[in-house]
Amino acid sequence: DAGVIQSPRHEVTEMGQEVTLRCKPISGHDYLFWYRQTMMRGLELLIYFNNNVPIDDSGMPEDRFSAKMPNASFSTLKIQPSEPRDSAVYFCASSRGGSSSYEQYFGPGTRLTVT
Amino acid sequence: TQLLEQSPQFLSIQEGENLTVYCNSSSVFSSLQWYRQEPGEGPVLLVTVVTGGEVKKLKRLTFQFGDARKDSSLHITAAQPGDTGLYLCAGDSGYALNFGKGTSLLVTP
Repeated sequence: DAGVIQSPRHEVTEMGQEVTLRCKPISGHDYLFWYRQTMMRGLELLIYFNNNVPIDDSGMPEDRFSAKMPNASFSTLKIQPSEPRDSAVYFCASSRGGSSSYEQYFGPGTRLTVT
Repeated sequence: TQLLEQSPQFLSIQEGENLTVYCNSSSVFSSLQWYRQEPGEGPVLLVTVVTGGEVKKLKRLTFQFGDARKDSSLHITAAQPGDTGLYLCAGDSGYALNFGKGTSLLVTP
């Protein structure tokens, strides 16, 4: 298995531009999670899906952020418009279940820099 | 959000030394996980502890869950350069995990 795949690995964009991050979870995993990691705030959960349906988006910082999961093998996290404070590493993770009884497998992350 | 405090924030030691890092909270967790994250990669699960007082060993790593299930520790014996990384604890709060900010460990030869 290739594991969780994220693209791009690095993204540099100017303030105000739209950014789309992509994730392919491990086949057969019903849960997909989007996290953001910064030095100041650590690893924060933004949103998670169960069977392609968003369950909890309370971690999404504001309306500029949106996430979709059109099918079981693909999810996107979009920021529009982007701001310098959005600079962080964004991780996607997937698991077979939603509790800690199931291991979450993380992708390699997308390092986003907004100038 | 249930806060997890990890200490120390940074730790630099020489190969062969022993160390302990801590994960503390005022909240009770049904379970707690430890992850290790290497530069440029995502976190990788090391262990899950479920029962208060539980001790789990993974080669030179020993994990303990506090009796009250509010805290946990990770002890590494005879640290090696390959142990270098960010160690994260995460508490189970239902379907989501709350992560601490981590302990960044550097082991030099």
